[in-house]
Amino acid sequence: GAVVSQHPSWVICKSGTSVKIECRSLDFQATTMFWYRQFPKQSLMLMATSNEGSKATYEQGVEKDKFLINHASLTLSTLTVTSAHPEDSSFYICSASKAGLPYEQYFGPGTRLTVT
Amino acid sequence: SQQGEEDPQALSIQEGENATMNCSYKTSINNLQWYRQNSGRGLVHLILIRSNEREKHSGRLRVTLDTSKKSSSLLITASRAADTASYFCATNFGNEKLTFGTGTRLTIIP
Repeated sequence: GAVVSQHPSWVICKSGTSVKIECRSLDFQATTMFWYRQFPKQSLMLMATSNEGSKATYEQGVEKDKFLINHASLTLSTLTVTSAHPEDSSFYICSASKAGLPYEQYFGPGTRLTVT
Repeated sequence: SQQGEEDPQALSIQEGENATMNCSYKTSINNLQWYRQNSGRGLVHLILIRSNEREKHSGRLRVTLDTSKKSSSLLITASRAADTASYFCATNFGNEKLTFGTGTRLTIIP
């Protein structure tokens, strides 16, 4: 096992609203979770790294007040896109790693966000 | 940017042929991994090769690593239609973060 789920798989929201994406590790405890963003036909760009019970570490250029990350338990992390704009439309993918195995990341299926 | 480069960007081959894609990176690494992504889906881990390894096999996959050239290659033998996907290399630079390459879009023609 090492299954990671994301919910929702796709979401459409209006400009100015907020949307929350959940990332769950279903059969293991995820000490670290990662959030990536992927534009069409491009690679994955790391947005932030979160450890259970502590604040997320954001990559340079990622607005922490816009992309709120909460890693409340060893099986759940959430990404909230606040005051969404059309340019936030993207594919968001989370991954999780187990304690002691930081290099092995298990990826969720992704969430397609469209902001109208 | 630390992002690696992959080439070719796109590759189309006939089913049954072998597919080779290459990845180059910029700094020293601890390990290099290859992932597959089907269209609109998440990533599937294929293989991890450590910096002190030169070659690794897994089923129809063969990965090589040349740290002196800062490059890796992924060979898929006897390709199948189901291999159609994007393939990404990803490297660790001493911590848990993965830095992904630009990806190769592989199309297998039945």
